[in-house]
Amino acid sequence: GESVGLHLPTLSVQEGDNSIINCAYSNSASDYFIWYKQESGKGPQFIIDIRSNMDKRQGQRVTVLLNKTVKHLSLQIAATQPGDSAVYFCAETYAGGTSYGKLTFGQGTILTVHP
Amino acid sequence: DGGITQSPKYLFRKEGQNVTLSCEQNLNHDAMYWYRQDPGQGLRLIYYSQIVNDFQKGDIAEGYSVSREKKESFPLTVTSAQKNPTAFYLCASKGDLNEQYFGPGTRLTVT
Repeated sequence: GESVGLHLPTLSVQEGDNSIINCAYSNSASDYFIWYKQESGKGPQFIIDIRSNMDKRQGQRVTVLLNKTVKHLSLQIAATQPGDSAVYFCAETYAGGTSYGKLTFGQGTILTVHP
Repeated sequence: DGGITQSPKYLFRKEGQNVTLSCEQNLNHDAMYWYRQDPGQGLRLIYYSQIVNDFQKGDIAEGYSVSREKKESFPLTVTSAQKNPTAFYLCASKGDLNEQYFGPGTRLTVT
């Protein structure tokens, strides 16, 4: 039967701190990665992406780091705000074969920002 | 406004009834997807469609059906054969870089 997992990794920070959310991905052939933010009761919102030919990409207050050697992805949020509180998912995909653009999602991390 | 809309936001059905969830996009995207999300879990792919009049099963297609008669629309039917239909259902469409954009979701409760 299906398992109901309620034990997502959590990260609690104070407002103004920097946050780092980590993700280990599974497929060494993956060449495109995305971070999504999901607030309670809403659909996931695209935050930032990175291709496998890069190891760092910056957006507004967010930075994604990619370490292909250890298949690790991280999302850094600068000056975290209460509005950043959400569940953050990483997703991976690869363009080749019959991937049909399928995204494989990580489990998610709950970020809580305290005022 | 360009985007993906799903309706309704909340849906309640009795066990044994089929129910259809709506998904519409005006992003001119070819590929569309349906996911299911259970509490505290990630997204699982139900069905996807790469182009009009074509669709393929995802990882958990049993008990679901879809159609893709128009580029803009990709409705999902949750049939009575789905053993655990209560969940949060998310529709997405794919942009040029394989990034997916999601709708607001429909929360289905079957009692």
